Amino acid sequence: QVQLVESGGGLVKPGGSLRLSCAASGFTFSDYYMSWIRQAPGKGLEWVSYISSSGSTIYYADSVKGRFTISRDNAKNSLYLQMNSLRAEDTAVYYCARRIYLAAAGFDAFDIWGQGTMVTVSS
Amino acid sequence: DIQMTQSPSSLSASVGDRVTITCQASQDISNYLNWYQQKPGKAPKLLIYDASNLETGVPSRFSGSGSGTDFTFTISSLQPEDIATYYCQQYDNLPPAFGPGTKVDIK
Repeated sequence: QVQLVESGGGLVKPGGSLRLSCAASGFTFSDYYMSWIRQAPGKGLEWVSYISSSGSTIYYADSVKGRFTISRDNAKNSLYLQMNSLRAEDTAVYYCARRIYLAAAGFDAFDIWGQGTMVTVSS
Repeated sequence: DIQMTQSPSSLSASVGDRVTITCQASQDISNYLNWYQQKPGKAPKLLIYDASNLETGVPSRFSGSGSGTDFTFTISSLQPEDIATYYCQQYDNLPPAFGPGTKVDIK
């Protein structure tokens, strides 16, 4: 079945780094844009970044620009998020999500989500 | 950036009640709005896209309407399994933005 499984979360000190991974299965990964979305404890959803199917187009939220890097390996059906210079406010559950984007139809949604991986930034 | 607001922030209703949530965008987003359901401890799930289109497999008691800046999400007959937080999300402009959520409980 269609599935996204995140890994790589954990406890890291402020200023530290962490790399998240997302393994995709059950669909043709290379056909889809992918995204990272996070949720701080008890808070709402915040879009972090997305990457096009080929990896040639990337966007970031202002809150992570210059610190986070999204990438993908279509041969391994995997999405990544390299997080550097981490801050306490980056503490959140990080979700990997498939972005279904049909420009001609004006359709754009996050239709498949992983279970999330928790990142805690604390000294 | 486009800002999204939702009201109410939480509500309690009885099983079988009609529940309505509103979402407002800070500028005209046409019908470029989605609705998600997030049950406690779970990932969000897409329920409605393009403001009013039901995602495959989603029960017909869920519906959405609106365009421009004002949108409505309705559960026609609340069921116990609908206990969740509901989020609207605009995709007219980058960055895609979510509303703050509406928590729905059973009275």
